[in-house]
Amino acid sequence: QSALTQPASVSGSPGQSITISCTGTSSDVGSYNLVSWYQQHPGKAPKLMIYEVSKRPSGVSNRFSGSKSGNTASLTISGLQAEDEADYYCCSYAGSGTWVFGGGTKLTVL
Amino acid sequence: QVQLQESGPGLVKPSGTLSLTCGVSGGSISSTNWWNWVRQPPGKGLEWIGEIYHSGSTNYNPSLKSRVTISVDKSKNQFSLKLTSVTAADTAVYYCATRGSSSFDPWGQGTLVSVSS
Repeated sequence: QSALTQPASVSGSPGQSITISCTGTSSDVGSYNLVSWYQQHPGKAPKLMIYEVSKRPSGVSNRFSGSKSGNTASLTISGLQAEDEADYYCCSYAGSGTWVFGGGTKLTVL
Repeated sequence: QVQLQESGPGLVKPSGTLSLTCGVSGGSISSTNWWNWVRQPPGKGLEWIGEIYHSGSTNYNPSLKSRVTISVDKSKNQFSLKLTSVTAADTAVYYCATRGSSSFDPWGQGTLVSVSS
């Protein structure tokens, strides 16, 4: 069970859109629509932003959206704001009752 | 709204056993949720450790399975983590979190456990 692959860092200017990829395998991301995304600010616990690939929990801005194609899931943040600067982690069900996280992506708002 | 709070020693000796408890408030541990442990070494990413259902059914990360035990205490509305034979590589912030069906939400605030002599 290997960690899902995310870019180490992405950046964008306020108002722009960015996309963070999360690449797994046919045993995890590719097999299940059970991908979720978490936002983590320094020193804080992760916060759920997207679940089941593209669903947004109540209270999460509609600037956050998710999608999946094959073994790769993506998180898109539109209309970037300074408060979006954080680390982002994807997570997928990996079968046999197990779950696997991505290595994390640091988003910098320029 | 369910709230989770981790508790336990912040320092464990190498080769010892790490023991943490997660108290659940605002909801029952006997609900349909699974109860999870996730850890994060300093400056690194999240690692799923394992989970338990109120019935006692468990799932563990294969890479940690030989050293991990997760248990539940319904009378105290809490669940616990034991990790044996710890080394410096087990130094991390340990989070408890609940999983409904497909995602982890909410999370506890996390507790730092250092492994050092």
